[in-house]
Amino acid sequence: NAGVTQTPKFRVLKTGQSMTLLCAQDMNHEYMYWYRQDPGMGLRLIHYSVGEGTTAKGEVPDGYNVSRLKKQNFLLGLESAAPSQTSVYFCASSYSGQGINNSPLHFGNGTRLTVT
Amino acid sequence: RKEVEQDPGPFNVPEGATVAFNCTYSNSASQSFFWYRQDCRKEPKLLMSVYSSGNEDGRFTAQLNRASQYISLLIRDSKLSDSATYLCVVNDLYNQGGKLIFGQGTELSVKP
Repeated sequence: NAGVTQTPKFRVLKTGQSMTLLCAQDMNHEYMYWYRQDPGMGLRLIHYSVGEGTTAKGEVPDGYNVSRLKKQNFLLGLESAAPSQTSVYFCASSYSGQGINNSPLHFGNGTRLTVT
Repeated sequence: RKEVEQDPGPFNVPEGATVAFNCTYSNSASQSFFWYRQDCRKEPKLLMSVYSSGNEDGRFTAQLNRASQYISLLIRDSKLSDSATYLCVVNDLYNQGGKLIFGQGTELSVKP
C-alpha cells in the first residue's frame, strides 16, 4: 500500500521556470492538500481540494495553481518560479477535512525545491 | 497572536527522562487536536489524536484543557528514538473552514 506518493523528490529551478509537482494517493481519500514547510514557519497550507474537480485557496496560495482532475491525483504548479518559493513541499490527504471533526492527514515524502 | 503556538525548544533530555510539551491555540471553537511527529527531513506522521478526556498510548499521554486553550504531550521514559520534532495541530473552524493548522514544532533531543 503506497499511501501518498509525491514526485519529484528534489528539483532545482531557475527563476522564471515552471514546473508541476505530482501527488497521488491510493486510499480513496476525498481531501487533498499541498503544504510548504520553511524554517521557523511551520507547515503552511497552499491549496487544498475537497473532492475531484474542486480546489480552494489556503493560507499562502499566491504564485501557485492546482488541479484535481482525478480523485487520486492533486497537481501543484509553479508558473514562474521565484527564489521565495524555495521550500519543502508536502502533499497530504485525509478521509474528511471540513467541519467539526477532522480525520488525520497522511503525508507524502516531500519535494525539496530550490529556486536560484 | 499565532493561531497555534509551541515552544520551539530544543529540549535536551537524558534517556529515561520524562518530558512535557505544551501548545496553545487561539480559536476557542476548535474541536480536533493532534500531535504529529516529524523526523529530520522527513514527512510528519500522526503520533496521536487528543481527546477531551485525555488519552494515553504507551509512554505518551495527551491532555486537552479547553478553558485555557492548550494541549499537552507527556513522554515518559524517553528513548533515543524519540528524538524528533513534535508538531501540535488544531483545526480552525472559523478562519480556515475546518482545516488543520500546524504549530512550528518543538524539537526534542534525547541523549544517552
